[in-house]
Amino acid sequence: ETGVTQSPTHLIKTRGQQVTLRCSSQSGHNTVSWYQQALGQGPQFIFQYYREEENGRGNFPPRFSGLQFPNYSSELNVNALELDDSALYLCASSLTMADTQYFGPGTRLTVL
Amino acid sequence: GESVGLHLPTLSVQEGDNSIINCAYSNSASDYFIWYKQESGKGPQFIIDIRSNMDKRQGQRVTVLLNKTVKHLSLQIAATQPGDSAVYFCAENTPGNTGKLIFGQGTTLQVKP
Repeated sequence: ETGVTQSPTHLIKTRGQQVTLRCSSQSGHNTVSWYQQALGQGPQFIFQYYREEENGRGNFPPRFSGLQFPNYSSELNVNALELDDSALYLCASSLTMADTQYFGPGTRLTVL
Repeated sequence: GESVGLHLPTLSVQEGDNSIINCAYSNSASDYFIWYKQESGKGPQFIIDIRSNMDKRQGQRVTVLLNKTVKHLSLQIAATQPGDSAVYFCAENTPGNTGKLIFGQGTTLQVKP
């Protein structure tokens, strides 16, 4: 176990709704990265947070947003859900920006 | 565009044999490479990493080889066990994109008893 936890485990939403996913980083880690993994694909980088600031963003639209809190836990928010947003959302924490990323179990989001 | 690719989608080996999983990366500026193992229903699990100033690194039953000349990475698993059955991903990171890991499609390793 990596010590990275995510909630909820599964989530079902309908098109147009909004969703918030949560991640608690491993103790001592100040960096959280979020990834989207479609079925049968490798994870795709969404963005990274370092000490509460966004540090890099992948090719995702602005309706994907995030936050990092003083305790380094993080949230991923997705507005105006689309069917293609159905995926496994992974959170990874690292000691600092450039260190090894350790993943949580993910949140399976289904958009109907 | 950016991509990290794996040569084979599925690799089937006999229990006890050695496994070799290959990966081709596209960005010659990448300086950090990681192998992850992902079991069904779980998040990727770190196996081993290597930086570009090395060409080989060994762990417990695993070895990663890096060939920067041909932009190739491989993961060798010794004495493959049924518990090694999973999808294996290589990932790369480039300077200036700190923290942005680029993953390949993955190779499914099937271990036959």
